[in-house]
Amino acid sequence: DAGVIQSPRHEVTEMGQEVTLRCKPISGHNSLFWYRQTMMRGLELLIYFNNNVPIDDSGMPEDRFSAKMPNASFSTLKIQPSEPRDSAVYFCASSPDPRGIVSDTQYFGPGTRLTVL
Amino acid sequence: GQQVMQIPQYQHVQEGEDFTTYCNSSTTLSNIQWYKQRPGGHPVFLIQLVKSGEVKKQKRLTFQFGEAKKNSSLHITATQTTDVGTYFCALDYNQGGKLIFGQGTELSVKP
Repeated sequence: DAGVIQSPRHEVTEMGQEVTLRCKPISGHNSLFWYRQTMMRGLELLIYFNNNVPIDDSGMPEDRFSAKMPNASFSTLKIQPSEPRDSAVYFCASSPDPRGIVSDTQYFGPGTRLTVL
Repeated sequence: GQQVMQIPQYQHVQEGEDFTTYCNSSTTLSNIQWYKQRPGGHPVFLIQLVKSGEVKKQKRLTFQFGEAKKNSSLHITATQTTDVGTYFCALDYNQGGKLIFGQGTELSVKP
């Protein structure tokens, strides 16, 4: 099993540019999570999907952030326009949880390190 | 809302010493998970605790869940340099698959 795949692994961009982060969950997993990790705020849940449907987006910082899951094997997190304070490591995680009710083990991808200049 | 506190934030130990990190919640939990993140890496699942008062062991690691299901601890006996990393508790408040991660305890081990 390839595990959760994220791309790109590193992204450096200038303020105001659009950034798109990509995630391929583990095949067969029904839940997908996007997290942001910074020294100041730790590991924050941004949004999660169950069976491709957004369940909770209360952690999305503001309208500049959007996430989609068009099918079971792909999700994107987009930031438009990006700002220096968006610099962080963004993790995608997936979980087998078939019902979206109880928490299950989450398998994290390697993360995307985003730097906004 | 739910409040989670994980302490200490940092712990520096000599190899062979023991280590403990604590996780406390303001409200009762459905269950709790523990993850380890190596420097430069990603969080990796260690264990899940579900029952009140539950104790689980993995080699030198001992995990406990409080009787009131509001707190948990991770204890490492005789630390090794391979134990270096940040240990996170992840709390389930029965909110449909969502986990709230603690602030993490960063462990460094001096050989």
